[in-house]
Order: sequence, then C-alpha cells, then structure tokens
Amino acid sequence: ILNVEQSPQSLHVQEGDSTNFTCSFPSSNFYALHWYRWETAKSPEALFVMTLNGDEKKKGRISATLNTKEGYSYLYIKGSQPEDSATYLCAPESGGTSYGKLTFGQGTILTVHP
Amino acid sequence: EAQVTQNPRYLITVTGKKLTVTCSQNMNHEYMSWYRQDPGLGLRQIYYSMNVEVTDKGDVPEGYKVSRKEKRNFPLILESPSPNQTSLYFCASSWSMVYNEQFFGPGTRLTVL
Repeated sequence: ILNVEQSPQSLHVQEGDSTNFTCSFPSSNFYALHWYRWETAKSPEALFVMTLNGDEKKKGRISATLNTKEGYSYLYIKGSQPEDSATYLCAPESGGTSYGKLTFGQGTILTVHP
Repeated sequence: EAQVTQNPRYLITVTGKKLTVTCSQNMNHEYMSWYRQDPGLGLRQIYYSMNVEVTDKGDVPEGYKVSRKEKRNFPLILESPSPNQTSLYFCASSWSMVYNEQFFGPGTRLTVL
C-alpha cells in the first residue's frame, strides 16, 4: 500500500485568504495524480487528474501543480470562499502490479470563515 | 442525469446477517470500485472491476464479495457482517481504469451491531 501524505491535516482561513496544501507520494510506478473535493454529507467529486511532470491545472479559483520526480503536488485556492470549505483528497494512481489503482490520502480539511 | 446510485443509503443490521449493497451507474463506465471510509484511515479500496466478469481485490477485501454480471451493476456482498465492517461505503465508476476521474455514489452508512 502506497504511503500518501497530505498536509496540513486541517486548515482554518478567513474569507478572501489564499491557501495551499500538499500531497506527497512515492514517485516510483507513478501514472497519475487525482485531486478530489469532498463536502460534508456529499460524495467526493473530481477536481483534477494530472499525469505529466510540471503539469498545472486550473478550475476557477482552484489550481494544482505536479512534480512527479520528487513525488508531490500542491493544490492552491485563491481568494477562499465559505463554499470552498471541504475535505480535499489526493490520490496517486499506480502502475506496475497495482495498475490503475488509486490510493487516497487522509485529506486536508479546509474551513473558510466568513 | 449521469449518476452512480447506491442502495440502501443507511442500514443497521446484526452480526452474521447477510446483506447486499447495490451500486448502479448509467454512464456506460467500464471501471467500478468499492471503497470504505473510516475515521483517520482515508478511503480504502475493497474490490474493483475493470469490466464485466473481471473483478480483483483492493486493499481491504476480507469479509466482502462482489460480482460484475452486467456493466452497470456492481453489488457489494457481506456474507457474514461483523462489527468491524461498520463504515461508510462508496461505490465509484470511471470510463476506464487509468487516467480517468472517478464518479462516486452517495454513500451507504452501515452499522453492524
């Protein structure tokens, strides 16, 4: 089972603040890196799937970068809003004998205060 | 509407009483998967299926069975549930096994007494 670490575990910010969090994963057998957003009482929803070293993806105020050589990804939220409050999950997708398998991190819980 | 559905959404049962949680998707996805979510442990994969009649174990398959007789359905079977299977269960599907975002169902909260 891959060791996937997300930091920080939780984060409280004020509305309008920009924030970022980290996902660290083993760089060997890497296929892709997924980011999901999980709001309370809902199911996880995909934000990004990233595959190439140096990839940057953006969706509205949320963006992500990927470094496959050192095994990390950053998720950025610009100008946080209360509706951004959620748990953000990353999941590297493996190759080799674990072809296509996602291993989820424990998530970063973001709370945006009005 | 494109979606993944699960039933039941909530279930309280007793140890040893066989149960099935159904999962169905209407997006013609090839890949389907079951996860369980436990506090402090993240989403862990139970079983997955790359296509009809093709299933394989995930990280925590003990105590569970699955089948994939039709493309749209992927039921999770607990033959003899135990209290350590009390958890929040998610079914997910995607176009294929690699590089594709997964679409999650609404979740099933199971309590085994």
